[in-house]
Amino acid sequence: GDSVTQMEGPVTLSEEAFLTINCTYTATGYPSLFWYVQYPGEGLQLLLKATKADDKGSNKGFEATYRKETTSFHLEKGSVQVSDSAVYFCALSDQGDTDKLIFGTGTRLQVFP
Amino acid sequence: DAGVTQSPTHLIKTRGQQVTLRCSPKSGHDTVSWYQQALGQGPQFIFQYYEEEERQRGNFPDRFSGHQFPNYSSELNVNALLLGDSALYLCASSLKGTGNTEAFFGQGTRLTVV
Repeated sequence: GDSVTQMEGPVTLSEEAFLTINCTYTATGYPSLFWYVQYPGEGLQLLLKATKADDKGSNKGFEATYRKETTSFHLEKGSVQVSDSAVYFCALSDQGDTDKLIFGTGTRLQVFP
Repeated sequence: DAGVTQSPTHLIKTRGQQVTLRCSPKSGHDTVSWYQQALGQGPQFIFQYYEEEERQRGNFPDRFSGHQFPNYSSELNVNALLLGDSALYLCASSLKGTGNTEAFFGQGTRLTVV
């Protein structure tokens, strides 16, 4: 079945460092791809999405490009802030009737001043 | 717009008991999905409700059941609780027929089974 694989964390960075969190997927069809963020004690917030190959999703300085040839959707940010510390989840949208989300295991990002 | 609201926020139950969790979708949304997030893991799809019917179910036993009301709100019921049911339960709402649009998540209900 469809699945998502994320790099394990934690990822520890200094403020203003460059961030990459790797995400690859396995899917039989053409899923939509998402990055969600979860701050401590909170639910999930959509960070960005891409619905077809070569689309780039972007939000709050974060970017990810839907790469069909490498089945990847890596998250990047040029300069992280302490406030970016959170858990980041890569997900794909099942192409069945329900559009259910299939998540990776999450990557914790810790940014220090 | 209040977004997706879930209640209660925290709950402690004893093994073998039953629990009901509640979710009100974002205004204008008609579809509710439930997810279980174990500690340190990604959310796992439990089931989805649309037009008051269960549309798809993940790999969860029949102890997990749900309901959707005419106002689109939803309940998740878990019977015969096990210690392994301890998790954050997330509700997500969306609008059917809009393709690959975003699902809005609530803050979750933290269930602890002792």
